[in-house]
Amino acid sequence: QVQLVQSGTEVKKPGASVKVSCKASGYTFISYGISWVRQAPGQGLEWMGWISDYNGNTDYAQNLQGRVTMTTDISTSTAYMELRSLRSDDTAVYYCARVGDSYDPKGTLDYWGQGTLVTVSS
Amino acid sequence: DIQMTQSPSSLSASVGDRVTISCQASQDISNYVNWYQQKPGEAPKLLIYDATSLETGVPSRFSGGGSGTDFTFTISSLQPEDIATYYCQQFDNLPLTFGGGTKVEIK
Repeated sequence: QVQLVQSGTEVKKPGASVKVSCKASGYTFISYGISWVRQAPGQGLEWMGWISDYNGNTDYAQNLQGRVTMTTDISTSTAYMELRSLRSDDTAVYYCARVGDSYDPKGTLDYWGQGTLVTVSS
Repeated sequence: DIQMTQSPSSLSASVGDRVTISCQASQDISNYVNWYQQKPGEAPKLLIYDATSLETGVPSRFSGGGSGTDFTFTISSLQPEDIATYYCQQFDNLPLTFGGGTKVEIK
């Protein structure tokens, strides 16, 4: 069965960086893409960006350009999301989600990871 | 960015009631809408894709409708396990955007 398993809770200070991992199993990794979505406490869902598991192409949300980098390691079927220069308003649960097309970021998020809580506090 | 305006933001209904949630897009997005269910402390779960298609394994009491700018999500007979927040999402254009969510509670 399809599974996306994310890394654990992180606590960071303002200005630091965080790197969240998302290990996929149960499907052919390079046939899909991965989107990252975050959810601030008590708030809605915000799309952060997408990476093709096939060729590493990326599309990032404009408000995160320059602070976010998404990568994949095909050998371990793992996607990564790094966010730099963290601020208090980056405190959120970060989700990875499988996208049904390795070429098009505009797709359905059909399977989700369990989420990773990132807290940014001094 | 395409804005997805979802209503109501919350509702309370009795077990067995028919529940309908609306989502309005700021421009024509054809049928490029999905609906997700999120229970407290859990990740979102895909229920409806392409506006009207039921995801495999999802109970048939859930359904979706609409096209263009106006979309609906319906629970035909509300069950206690349906307590959750529901989100619409468009995938016609980047950035992908979500509605603000509808919290469904049991009366």
